[in-house]
Amino acid sequence: AQSVTQLDSQVPVFEEAPVELRCNYSSSVSVYLFWYVQYPNQGLQLLLKYLSGSTLVESINGFEAEFNKSQTSFHLRKPSVHISDTAEYFCAVTRDQGGKLIFGQGTELSVKP
Amino acid sequence: GAGVSQSPSNKVTEKGKDVELRCDPISGHTALYWYRQSLGQGLEFLIYFQGNSAPDKSGLPSDRFSAERTGGSVSTLTIQRTQQEDSAVYLCASSLQARDRGGAFFGQGTRLTVV
Repeated sequence: AQSVTQLDSQVPVFEEAPVELRCNYSSSVSVYLFWYVQYPNQGLQLLLKYLSGSTLVESINGFEAEFNKSQTSFHLRKPSVHISDTAEYFCAVTRDQGGKLIFGQGTELSVKP
Repeated sequence: GAGVSQSPSNKVTEKGKDVELRCDPISGHTALYWYRQSLGQGLEFLIYFQGNSAPDKSGLPSDRFSAERTGGSVSTLTIQRTQQEDSAVYLCASSLQARDRGGAFFGQGTRLTVV
């Protein structure tokens, strides 16, 4: 069975600072990986995904994540955060052959001026 | 509609009552998921429907919980004899097909409060 661990429940940072939100997964089979974002009082939205190919994937708002198979990680990074990035971020995994989407516990990113 | 629709958006019920939560997935999406999100918790997987296959019910926390998906479209999550610990936001999501890893689209959720 797959599982996801997000090591940090809360990450406070100042505006324009870099940030890394950590995600590790466990699985005995090939997986697909996702990051979802939940802004305050809003629903979950897909931020970016790794399916195959290049291990570095990017979102339209400057986030990127790198799939590292040897370390079973899919950490999310942004070189310079904005106040508007304040949200909860969820890492998720599923088997590449289909099946349920399993989420981590979430990381609350709080960007301060 | 354009997105996943859930109803009601809010539900307050008395302990011991049964509740039904509804999910209308995006038209044509064959995969449908139910999750539960409690305060300070992650997204707890409840149940997964994929086409005509038998649903994956491995996440349902007790036999008080059940879900149906009629005609491969609308789904209803039923909680019988509700308890206070059932209070949470119940999220529904759908995706195009099991092998389409484009990502699941989520509804706004139903906030259930058991008093």
